[in-house]
Amino acid sequence: EPEVTQTPSHQVTQMGQEVILRCVPISNHLYFYWYRQILGQKVEFLVSFYNNEISEKSEIFDDQFSVERPDGSNFTLKIRSTKLEDSAMYFCASISRGSGANVLTFGAGSRLTVL
Amino acid sequence: DAKTTQPNSMESNEEEPVHLPCNHSTISGTDYIHWYRQLPSQGPEYVIHGLTSNVNNRMASLAIAEDRKSSTLILHRATLRDAAVYYCILRAQSNTGNQFYFGTGTSLTVIP
Repeated sequence: EPEVTQTPSHQVTQMGQEVILRCVPISNHLYFYWYRQILGQKVEFLVSFYNNEISEKSEIFDDQFSVERPDGSNFTLKIRSTKLEDSAMYFCASISRGSGANVLTFGAGSRLTVL
Repeated sequence: DAKTTQPNSMESNEEEPVHLPCNHSTISGTDYIHWYRQLPSQGPEYVIHGLTSNVNNRMASLAIAEDRKSSTLILHRATLRDAAVYYCILRAQSNTGNQFYFGTGTSLTVIP
C-alpha cells in the first residue's frame, strides 16, 4: 500500500535554530498538508498546498513557517527560528484530488523537540 | 472551520459493539463526514467516510442521521487494537481544495 514518508522521525534542536522537516507524499497525489500535534493535545491544521502554492493556512502558520515543494517528490516544512512551543509531532498528509470521495493519508510523523 | 462535537472518552468491553457519536449541526450540504483514528504514537489513519447514506467497510460502519446533523461510527466487535482516539471530521470543500479540521476526538478504551 502506498505510504507517506516523513524524515526525520525525531529531531532535537536548540531554540532559535532552523529546522526542515521532509515529506514524500504518495506519488500521484496533488494536495499536501502539514498538521502538528502538541503532546496530549489535538491534531491542528497548519497549511495546505496545491499547484505549487499555499491554498490555506491557519493562524499557527506565521512568518516563522514556510513550505516548499523543491522537486517532484519532496514536500518540506521549514521553521526559521524555533521556539520552545514548537515542540510537537508534525504530520504530513496528502490526497489525490479535490473531490469528496478522497481521503487523507498521513505519514508517521516527525517529532520535534526544541531545547 | 466546520465544527464537530464528540464525547471526550468512552469505554467498551472487548468483542462488544461500540457506537461513537458525533454532532455536526453546522454541516453544509457539500461537507463529507470523515472518521479517522489515531493509535498511540502513530499518525491518524482513515476509517470511513460518507455523505448522506450509511456506509460499511471492513473496519467499521457509519450511520448518518437523516438531517445529517449527527453521525455514529460503529465498531461491530471491539478489539484491544481498536483502542485509539477517534476523530469525526467534516471535510470542507473550498475553491482551492479540501480542508480537514480535527476536533478533540473520543478516546476509546477497550477493556479485556
